[in-house]
Amino acid sequence: QQQVRQSPQSLTVWEGETAILNCSYEDSTFNYFPWYQQFPGEGPALLISIRSVSDKKEDGRFTIFFNKREKKLSLHITDSQPGDSATYFCAAIANSGTYQRFGTGTKLQVVP
Amino acid sequence: GPKVLQIPSHQIIDMGQMVTLNCDPVSNHLYFYWYKQILGQQMEFLVNFYNGKVMEKSKLFKDQFSVERPDGSYFTLKIQPTALEDSAVYFCASSPDWGGGAETLYFGSGTRLTVL
Repeated sequence: QQQVRQSPQSLTVWEGETAILNCSYEDSTFNYFPWYQQFPGEGPALLISIRSVSDKKEDGRFTIFFNKREKKLSLHITDSQPGDSATYFCAAIANSGTYQRFGTGTKLQVVP
Repeated sequence: GPKVLQIPSHQIIDMGQMVTLNCDPVSNHLYFYWYKQILGQQMEFLVNFYNGKVMEKSKLFKDQFSVERPDGSYFTLKIQPTALEDSAVYFCASSPDWGGGAETLYFGSGTRLTVL
């Protein structure tokens, strides 16, 4: 059972546009949601994260919007740059959990 | 930032052989993880490890898999014997402490395992 889902599977945007990556989850006990960025040949690296007590988290060009009632969140990348081209993973974990569950990933391509 | 090193970066073996994947976690980190990734897609949790013991393992962590970290050296994932479906990229991760679930994971660059 896939507990964390992401859409779209792949996304192409022009440089300067806003990329929107979606994530949804099933387990209502999840309360911490990190987003990871992965470049080819590398491991995932933490990009930004949010706790369920917040509905928004911003860090530079990256913003997470969180809707607890609908169990959905999204990552917005404003002013997208070619260097943002990577695969983005949404993950989730509950306080009682011992490991982070990863979503299926969104491969983002930013075209100059 | 903190670095997790994985050795080797690529390993090719014949089905049925044993393989050991090595991970040098960030020094002073206490929690260790193995994840499996196929075709650049979803990261699947295999196992986590703390204080010399497995904390939790998934259904993907078959009986042929084992982990250990003898005397604070490499954190290893051993597969014996290997099967074709074990072909994947295996990522090691570590974290400094238990953040009530909000710990930051630091990942290595992965070991690409090819089973022929």
